[in-house]
Amino acid sequence: EVVLTQSPVTLSLSPGERASLSCRASQSVSSSYLAWYQQKPGQAPRLLISGASSRATAIPDRFSGSGSGTDFTLTISRLEPEDFAVYYCQQYGSSPLTFGGGTKVEIK
Amino acid sequence: EVQLVESGGGLVQPGRSLRLSCAASGFTFDDYAMHWVRQTPGKGLEWVSGINWNSGSIGYADSVKGRFTISRDNTKNSLYLQMDSLRTDDTALYYCAKDSRRYTYARGSFDIWGQGTIVTVSS
Repeated sequence: EVVLTQSPVTLSLSPGERASLSCRASQSVSSSYLAWYQQKPGQAPRLLISGASSRATAIPDRFSGSGSGTDFTLTISRLEPEDFAVYYCQQYGSSPLTFGGGTKVEIK
Repeated sequence: EVQLVESGGGLVQPGRSLRLSCAASGFTFDDYAMHWVRQTPGKGLEWVSGINWNSGSIGYADSVKGRFTISRDNTKNSLYLQMDSLRTDDTALYYCAKDSRRYTYARGSFDIWGQGTIVTVSS
């Protein structure tokens, strides 16, 4: 099983600042089958990034994904008020599919 | 509008069974693999099970293998999760999610999610 470790657990930032979220895999994620999701309180997760770096439909370009192998990063270039949420990474290249524990981006 | 609507959750005693359903609309259901994902209160996400377009490729998390059965009826645009021998640690919000691909459950991201149905296992 591929274990995904996200860091930090909590990120305290102000609107307009840059956020960098890390996702590290216990083994190489095949063909960059790595996704990022955003979840707000009381809502279902929403797909942001697939294939490690491809933005999903209607996702603003302030969100970007990078990385390969075992190290992946989600970057939010300038935080908007609606970006404060929990972010999860997920690998979908090998079964069982797994999620990271999440990073909460909170308002400082 | 693309939509997934889960139903069938509720309160059930340990050891009993429950069947969840997910009704899909707004897209060609049999063009995609589908999944169940659960989330415990205040905790993270756990993939439960996935099924490809024609039920020929199915996978389960180790925590539910042998107790849960995923299935789909493409004529009814519906996904199901039969949950047997339920345990207290199965208590969670269960989401239905659409895969971005068709042929296997382990090559696509989850691009559409339902709002979830709550399962509580307690005596």
